Order: sequence, then C-alpha cells, then structure tokens
Amino acid sequence: RKEVEQDPGPFNVPEGATVAFNCTYSNSASQSFFWYRQDCRKEPKLLMSVYSSGNEDGRFTAQLNRASQYISLLIRDSKLSDSATYLCVLTSGGSYIPTFGRGTSLIVHP
Amino acid sequence: DTGVSQDPRHKITKRGQNVTFRCDPISEHNRLYWYRQTLGQGPEFLTYFQNEAQLEKSRLLSDRFSAERPKGSFSTLEIQRTEQGDSAMYLCASSQFQGTVTFGSGTRLTVV
Repeated sequence: RKEVEQDPGPFNVPEGATVAFNCTYSNSASQSFFWYRQDCRKEPKLLMSVYSSGNEDGRFTAQLNRASQYISLLIRDSKLSDSATYLCVLTSGGSYIPTFGRGTSLIVHP
Repeated sequence: DTGVSQDPRHKITKRGQNVTFRCDPISEHNRLYWYRQTLGQGPEFLTYFQNEAQLEKSRLLSDRFSAERPKGSFSTLEIQRTEQGDSAMYLCASSQFQGTVTFGSGTRLTVV
C-alpha cells in the first residue's frame, strides 16, 4: 500500500462550484500534513498546512482525520485560476522527510 | 534572496553521458532535498542534506546517482551513464528543520 494515496481525477467542475479532495495515508505516526498546488510544468508551491482542528484560508478549508487517516481539502466558489494539481504531503519518522501523493487534477471551466 | 535556484532549467543529453545539476537553496535553510517527478506522479524523494551531511538516500537513488553539498550551501546532483528512464523533472527544495519545503523551478532532463 502506498504511503499517500490520492484520486488523480481529473475533477471537472464549473466556476462557482464547491469541490473536495481526500487523501489517505498509511502511517498512523505521520506528524505533519500539507496541501501543495502545482501548475502545469511548474514547481509545487505550498497552499496550506493542515492542523488537527481544521483550518481555513479564504475559500480553502483543510481538515485532518487521524482516526480514519485522511486529510481533505475543500474549495468553495471555484475560480478558473484554481485549475491545477493538488498534492497531499505528509511527514513521518524521525527524519521529517516530506512524502508526496501523486496529486489530484482540478479543472475549473466557465 | 529570491528563493531556491536550479540550473540548468532544461538538459538534453545522449544516453550514456554524464550530467550534473546545481541547486542553490534559500540561504537560511539548513535542509536541502532532491526529488524526481515524472508525468502524472508526485515528486519522489531521492536524498536530503542537513547542512553538509547527506543523511538519507532513497532506494530510487541508484549507484549512478551522486549528490553533494560541500560547505552546506549549494548542492549538485550528478547522474552517470544516463539512461532513458532517467528522463524526468529533478526538483530541489530547501527548508528549516521541520519547516515547510520551498521548491526550485526544477531541471527537466531528457535522455535521447
């Protein structure tokens, strides 16, 4: 079983829609969780960290469920500019090395 | 300091040739990572340095790959006797210990 699993999509949604992605992880001792965004042929960039209590940044809400070992990202009022690949990232073990999922592709259309 | 810099941005090489990539991290970051990314996949960890010490290497890092970070500043990744399967985007990232990673723009390698 892969350490981090994501549905690759693509998720095709109209502008203004609400869309949610999940990411499951296998190591229950995983410590920190993040969502990164990657545009086509660009490097990944940090979107937001994911805290145990859940956190929000504008239209983006991230949640962590340690019992079921998944994190989620909710995007409200989707914009065309939200079209990208969203990478789930976690760290585990003493070395704290970030491990990436394969990403979920989002396409927002007019 | 404008972030993590990688050079070159693109490299086309013939199979069997050696290539070397350079990464300049954010100056106050003591950790430096190398990742490889292929189409449709997330970045895969190759190796990382804490200051000048190379602390971990992935099983993906075959004997043909070597990385250095002399003096704990810039890093180089060398691939010897390149194979077509080495074609990928090579991403460098840096961070403070337990901090979030910041990536460079990557070096896209094509082996022909």
